[in-house]
Amino acid sequence: QKEVEQNSGPLSVPEGAIASLNCTYSDRGSQSFFWYRQYSGKSPELIMSIYSNGDKEDGRFTAQLNKASQYVSLLIRDSQPSDSATYLCAVIYDEKLTFGTGTRLTIIP
Amino acid sequence: ETGVTQTPRHLVMGMTNKKSLKCEQHLGHNAMYWYKQSAKKPLELMFVYNFKEQTENNSVPSRFSPECPNSSHLFLHLHTLQPEDSALYLCASSQVGGTGTTYEQYFGPGTRLTVT
Repeated sequence: QKEVEQNSGPLSVPEGAIASLNCTYSDRGSQSFFWYRQYSGKSPELIMSIYSNGDKEDGRFTAQLNKASQYVSLLIRDSQPSDSATYLCAVIYDEKLTFGTGTRLTIIP
Repeated sequence: ETGVTQTPRHLVMGMTNKKSLKCEQHLGHNAMYWYKQSAKKPLELMFVYNFKEQTENNSVPSRFSPECPNSSHLFLHLHTLQPEDSALYLCASSQVGGTGTTYEQYFGPGTRLTVT
């Protein structure tokens, strides 16, 4: 069974610090990876897509992909209270998204 | 706003009722999805439509019946539901196959369903 694993947290990070979220996946053939942010009671919002090994930066967010080790991570610099949410890692298998259970992040003012 | 709308946003229904959820995407995508999200469980893919054709049915009970009349609209018809079907139902769309394929899925706001 193709799986996406995340630490459920909660992960608590002081305001202004770097939050680091990790995800591992089971299928070496996967080519597309995504991070979604989901606020309580809301739907998932796509914040980052990454398709190649290495880093991809977008504002305060950096996605990192290592296909050899089968992990993808999300770094949030200068964390803000508004970043408090559940972050979902998703991987494409057979043209379908498989989601992890999410990591709950809390930014402490 | 992501360009995907869902109605209604909240729905309370009895186990003998029949209701429908509606989804519309304004992104020009060719694939649409229904997901179920229950508390403390990962998102569960229910149905996939590519080019209006159903390509996936993840062993969903027959009390859930999808309909996709065109590539912009998706319905989920509900009948004789059970209390355990109470959840957030999410619609999403993406562009798959050929030029422009990204597999990025964009979600609507969801319908919070309560079955009494």
